[in-house]
Amino acid sequence: ETGVTQSPTHLIKTRGQQVTLRCSSQSGHNTVSWYQQALGQGPQFIFQYYREEENGRGNFPPRFSGLQFPNYSSELNVNALELDDSALYLCASSIPEASSYNEQFFGPGTRLTVL
Amino acid sequence: KQEVTQIPAALSVPEGENLVLNCSFTDSAIYNLQWFRQDPGKGLTSLLLIQSSQREQTSGRLNASLDKSSGRSTLYIAASQPGDSATYLCAVNGGSEKLVFGKGTKLTVNP
Repeated sequence: ETGVTQSPTHLIKTRGQQVTLRCSSQSGHNTVSWYQQALGQGPQFIFQYYREEENGRGNFPPRFSGLQFPNYSSELNVNALELDDSALYLCASSIPEASSYNEQFFGPGTRLTVL
Repeated sequence: KQEVTQIPAALSVPEGENLVLNCSFTDSAIYNLQWFRQDPGKGLTSLLLIQSSQREQTSGRLNASLDKSSGRSTLYIAASQPGDSATYLCAVNGGSEKLVFGKGTKLTVNP
């Protein structure tokens, strides 16, 4: 069974640029959630996708957007990058229908640095 | 709005000591609670998940308890080892699959 994978591992952008981060969910998982973790903080929920539809959003501006594909992989897009967007971006997958456990499995993260 | 607090923020102990990490949450209407481990600059590794109907879960040297009515969970680590050094995060799930995290407890186990 393949775990959650994310790409790239890290990248550096400048203010105003756009970035796309990618996530492949664990095999069979149809729900993907994205989190932002600033240095020294706990992860903050950005949004969640369930069967290709957005299914909940945290307190993030519209320049944070996402997609989920038929194979349940997902993208996080951030436009007009700001310095405060520098963080570790984490993707998590789960399969809420299969059991009552709703355990979430996280990928290794993408470290984004905005200069 | 759910808020999760973890105490202490940092903890340093000698190898072999038993220790307890604390997590509290403000809204007791949770679906489950998960404890994670995070090594520096890395992703999250799930350690234990406790359903709202359960009181505790055990895995090896780890034991997590849940008291939903008082909004508290503890993670007990027995016979700590230097390899246990990491940040431990507690997260609650209110049923919408969205996890609300604490800021974590940074644990250092000294040889």
